[in-house]
Amino acid sequence: GESVGLHLPTLSVQEGDNSIINCAYSNSASDYFIWYKQESGKGPQFIIDIRSNMDKRQGQRVTVLLNKTVKHLSLQIAATQPGDSAVYFCAENLGHAGNKLTFGGGTRVLVKP
Amino acid sequence: KAGVTQTPRYLIKTRGQQVTLSCSPISGHRSVSWYQQTPGQGLQFLFEYFSETQRNKGNFPGRFSGRQFSNSRSEMNVSTLELGDSALYLCASSFVSSATTDTQYFGPGTRLTVL
Repeated sequence: GESVGLHLPTLSVQEGDNSIINCAYSNSASDYFIWYKQESGKGPQFIIDIRSNMDKRQGQRVTVLLNKTVKHLSLQIAATQPGDSAVYFCAENLGHAGNKLTFGGGTRVLVKP
Repeated sequence: KAGVTQTPRYLIKTRGQQVTLSCSPISGHRSVSWYQQTPGQGLQFLFEYFSETQRNKGNFPGRFSGRQFSNSRSEMNVSTLELGDSALYLCASSFVSSATTDTQYFGPGTRLTVL
């Protein structure tokens, strides 16, 4: 995805509600996808990943959905908490190429108490 | 298990100087990748090292270079610094298994400011 610089898309969500963050990826040959969370002043933190032979994967309070037909990835966060406020990035990787992540521009999530 | 560590955390340099950043991966991880993060360009891949060899390279000029040591620790070097090199430089490590790709875990980054 393309970076939008300082003007990150922002998702404002009420504490306790569910959040859905969307991402369009660029390479139809990518076979590994990851969601990272980045808080201010910290490095990206791994949330959940999914390989291209799956279309859904669940973790603790998070679910990733993969739609290869339209090259779309989404992250669902259940019962969003104040600690979920951060910038979320999707990333894709070409499996045969080792580790070479291509990141989306990010989405800022703001949780309102 | 300790996470990825990067040193220094903050660095201020002037144009034309060179800089070396260091990364210690998670114990047992053999792949180290470097990324540059800026507000304008987002997160961009620089290069990946595995078994002391560069396995992947991004689209950065030759002023950006790196290396990996036998203990998997890695350094990256930027020569002839430019103002546009001001960024957060992130290191990520992964355990290399039989899978073609493995989860990358990031360090806190080194904030480089070029004056």
